[in-house]
Amino acid sequence: EVLLVESGGGLVQPGGSLRLSCAASGFTFSDYYMDWVRQAPGKGLEWVGHARNKANSYTTRYAASVKGRFIISRDDSKNSLYLQMDSLKTEDTAVYFCVRSVGTYYYGMDVWGQGTTVTVSS
Amino acid sequence: DIVMTQSPLSLPVTPGESASISCRSSQSLLQSSGYNYLDWYVQRPGQSPQLLIYLASNRASGVPDRVSGSGSGTDFTLRISRVEAEDVGVYYCMQPLQTPWTFGPGTRVEIK
Repeated sequence: EVLLVESGGGLVQPGGSLRLSCAASGFTFSDYYMDWVRQAPGKGLEWVGHARNKANSYTTRYAASVKGRFIISRDDSKNSLYLQMDSLKTEDTAVYFCVRSVGTYYYGMDVWGQGTTVTVSS
Repeated sequence: DIVMTQSPLSLPVTPGESASISCRSSQSLLQSSGYNYLDWYVQRPGQSPQLLIYLASNRASGVPDRVSGSGSGTDFTLRISRVEAEDVGVYYCMQPLQTPWTFGPGTRVEIK
């Protein structure tokens, strides 16, 4: 079974840091781009960024709203994706989803985790 | 950045009838490959989003054939025929053509 399981969410004060993890199983993790998508309470979906696969030199891309504050990394030996979030703001409060996207070809963002909740509040 | 818009934002439907959602992009999503880089996702109540359609018209695995996507360039449509109770949710279009990938605001489908 193809599965993504996020962890690491919680309550953090503004200006603080948090590291999210995503454990993947059931597919060849190293073949895929892996993305983070978030959803603020009662709001729509926002793409946060992704880490591309080895074939694309593990390059990363970010949304403007998080660039310079968030870092996406991956460890293919552990089938894991990470999101290091620094200088957190109240507007970063959201459910964060780990998502599989581009493989050899593009077949959509076809696998989503259950999400982990991040609350930034004093 | 590519801006995605959707209409309507709310769509009450009667079971058994059809529903259509429009999505427009601020730039063409037609890549040189000939594919339109436009996806559709649904988020049912209490669930994670789920892929419905990729590259404008390709149904994801397990999606019933009463769900279809069409369009090219900047104008796209998601159509659901014979609406059922399980179709309730928020539908999003998204462009993965260029980063930052961007979603539409979502269309809430409810049963009358």
